This record gives sequence, C-alpha cells and structure tokens, in this order.
Amino acid sequence: GAVVSQHPSWVICKSGTSVKIECRSLDFQATTMFWYRQFPKQSLMLMATSNEGSKATYEQGVEKDKFLINHASLTLSTLTVTSAHPEDSSFYICSARKIGTGDYNEQFFGPGTRLTVL
Amino acid sequence: AQSVTQLGSHVSVSEGALVLLRCNYSSSVPPYLFWYVQYPNQGLQLLLKYTSAATLVKGINGFEAEFKKSETSFHLTKPSAHMSDAAEYFCAVSTQGGSEKLVFGKGTKLTVNP
Repeated sequence: GAVVSQHPSWVICKSGTSVKIECRSLDFQATTMFWYRQFPKQSLMLMATSNEGSKATYEQGVEKDKFLINHASLTLSTLTVTSAHPEDSSFYICSARKIGTGDYNEQFFGPGTRLTVL
Repeated sequence: AQSVTQLGSHVSVSEGALVLLRCNYSSSVPPYLFWYVQYPNQGLQLLLKYTSAATLVKGINGFEAEFKKSETSFHLTKPSAHMSDAAEYFCAVSTQGGSEKLVFGKGTKLTVNP
C-alpha cells in the first residue's frame, strides 16, 4: 500500500505560538511531499512543494517565513506555522509522491490536521 | 496555466439514482485528470485517474469517468447512488512529465437522499 500519516490530527493553540505538523510516508520513500491548505467548504490550495534535502518551493502568496517546511528524511516532512494567528486556522493536508513504474507518480494524501488558533 | 471548473457546488440525488458530477479542465499541454473523494474531516482518497491510456476510466466504488478532449471534460458518473457516496468530490488536473502539482476544482458536495 501507500499510507501517509499526519500528526497531530487536530491542534488548538494560542495566538503568537508556533505549531509543528508532521507528515510521514509509512511504507514508501517520498523525495517530494506537498502541503495544502483547505478553508471550510473550499478546495485545496497548494502551499508548497517539499523536496528531501533541499529548500521547499512555495506557491505565490505563501509566506515562507511563516510556514516553515523541513523535509529532512525520505519519509518525513514537517510544516511549522510560526507566530500563529486566528487567520491561520485551517485544515492542513499533506501528500507524498510515490515513484511508480508508469508515466505518473501518484500523490497519496494524509488525513489532514485541523489547526485552530485562539 | 491549468484550471478546473466543477459545475454545481451541490448535487442531490436519490438513493439508486444516477450520479453525474461535472468537471471541465483547461490545460495547454496533455493533462492528467483525477477525481478524489473527501469525507468530513478526512484527507483525500483517489477514486480514479486518467493518464493518457483508455479514455473511459473505471475507479473504485463503482465510479467511472470519461475523458473527452473535444469537450475538455472529465465527468464522473455512477449508475446507482448509495448512501455511503455522500461526500465532497474534487476534480484535479496535473501535467505530464512536469512537477506533477495538482490543481483542484472547488469541489462538489454530493447528497444522497433515502
């Protein structure tokens, strides 16, 4: 299979604090992981592409210093929301790209992390 | 740039009725197309994908979709709706041989009435 986990599944924090979210590929190695943000009743918006051993690539409009991404191993990427504010409250979903034998490398999605900033 | 348009943010059907969720895409290069399902407070599960093989794609849970290049469409269908099909459905597009980033539509919430 191809299982991706996220931890924590939900977190509540105070405004001004930092929160770290982990994304793990449990049964495959992933050189590339993606971080998405989903507002209530809306679609997923790609925030950044996380590449193992190198800097993440951020989408236009995403603050690099606010959303720190580290992809230190082939099975783990972390997203740290720094100095969180209520507007950062959202559902964060990661995906991990699995290298296959076909002409497309499928992304497998984690279950998501619900962040609430008070 | 690629984009996806899902017609109808909400679709309601009766149990046993045909499900049709519409998706149109825009892409300057041959696309890969996907349908994902999301249950409340969960991640996304892949229903099916088109990657330039057969234009009629069969997926899990009885869903299928047909790639129509002339209409730039990739509509999702299921002959007979089940209560467990109630969820949010997302159409997505990606490029062949590129970064493989996914661009999602806004989603369609499917309600199945008993």
